[in-house]
Amino acid sequence: AQSVTQLDSHVSVSEGTPVLLRCNYSSSYSPSLFWYVQHPNKGLQLLLKYTSAATLVKGINGFEAEFKKSETSFHLTKPSAHMSDAAEYFCVVTLYSSASKIIFGSGTRLSIRP
Amino acid sequence: DAEITQSPRHKITETGRQVTLACHQTWNHNNMFWYRQDLGHGLRLIHYSYGVHDTNKGEVSDGYSVSRSNTEDLPLTLESAASSQTSVYFCASRELRDTTYNEQFFGPGTRLTVL
Repeated sequence: AQSVTQLDSHVSVSEGTPVLLRCNYSSSYSPSLFWYVQHPNKGLQLLLKYTSAATLVKGINGFEAEFKKSETSFHLTKPSAHMSDAAEYFCVVTLYSSASKIIFGSGTRLSIRP
Repeated sequence: DAEITQSPRHKITETGRQVTLACHQTWNHNNMFWYRQDLGHGLRLIHYSYGVHDTNKGEVSDGYSVSRSNTEDLPLTLESAASSQTSVYFCASRELRDTTYNEQFFGPGTRLTVL
């Protein structure tokens, strides 16, 4: 069965320090993987996606993620956190083309300390 | 610029009333979705559509219905609103071709309160 686990419900970092948001997936096949960001009272916005090309994917606002098949992980990182990064982040797995096979993680709330 | 809009942005209604939430996209996407977002549950799929006149039930479809009469719109109807349907509702769309690789585009959400 397909699933996605975001290992931390809340992450707090100081401004200027690195960010790591962890995501593990379970899939019998090679999935497509996405990270979305949701700022307060807003809809979800795509940060980046993995679609079986390069395993290191660069996204918007300095974020990147690395697909590691052996670890079934797709962790999101950023070298230096900014106050504007405070938001909810969702890891999403898509298998096949079926709309019902889009699986959302439960989300990680990122807080940035001044 | 193409976009996806939802209306109303906020709605307060009473138990038992019928409520319709609108979703309109100008991406010309065939694939459209409705989700609800609740604390502790992330996003859960209510209904989805692959195109005009096509609708399918998602994970939490009980008490909800949708119709797709054109490409741009997928209204969500709560037949008889219940307090358990108090939530934030998101509409999304996606290009249907090569869908495994395509991201979804989300609307800004509708906050619904059922009293």
